Amino acid sequence: RKEVEQDPGPFNVPEGATVAFNCTYSNSASQSFFWYRQDCRKEPKLLMSVYSSGNEDGRFTAQLNRASQYISLLIRDSKLSDSATYLCVVNQDYKLSFGAGTTVTVRA
Amino acid sequence: EAGVVQSPRYKIIEKKQPVAFWCNPISGHNTLYWYRQNLGQGPELLIRYENEEAVDDSQLPKDRFSAERLKGVDSTLKIQPAELGDSAVYLCASSGDHADYNEQFFGPGTRLTVL
Repeated sequence: RKEVEQDPGPFNVPEGATVAFNCTYSNSASQSFFWYRQDCRKEPKLLMSVYSSGNEDGRFTAQLNRASQYISLLIRDSKLSDSATYLCVVNQDYKLSFGAGTTVTVRA
Repeated sequence: EAGVVQSPRYKIIEKKQPVAFWCNPISGHNTLYWYRQNLGQGPELLIRYENEEAVDDSQLPKDRFSAERLKGVDSTLKIQPAELGDSAVYLCASSGDHADYNEQFFGPGTRLTVL
């Protein structure tokens, strides 16, 4: 079983729509959680950390459910520039485990 | 401020040939990581350095892969001999002090094709 599993998508949404997706992780001892964004043929970049209480960064909302070992990301008012692959990332003892990514395509 | 620098950006070699990748982390970052990313997958850690010490190399295929970070700054990852299955993007990342988890900054990667 993979440490981090994500729905690969693709999620194809119109501009202005809301899109949400999630991932699950297998190691209950995981300590911290993140969403990274990776554009086509580019390197991953940190989008946001995920806190137990849930957190927002502009149009992006992340949620963590430790009991269910589940992380989610919601994007409101999607922009064309949000088209990317979103990597769910779990940290334990400074070792990051990445999911395979969820691809989002926002169309005009 | 300069980001993580990697070279070469692309490399095409024949199987059984050796290949080396170079990484220069962000200035002041003590921790350096090498990852491999296969098509359609997330990055997978190969090795992590704290200064010049390899503190986690459990995922490094040691029969053909080696890495070094002699002065605790630049790092080199080598494959000898390369196999067809080594075709992937090799990403270097760095992060700052581990007093708490710090964001990892990735370089642009080296795209390796083994023919």
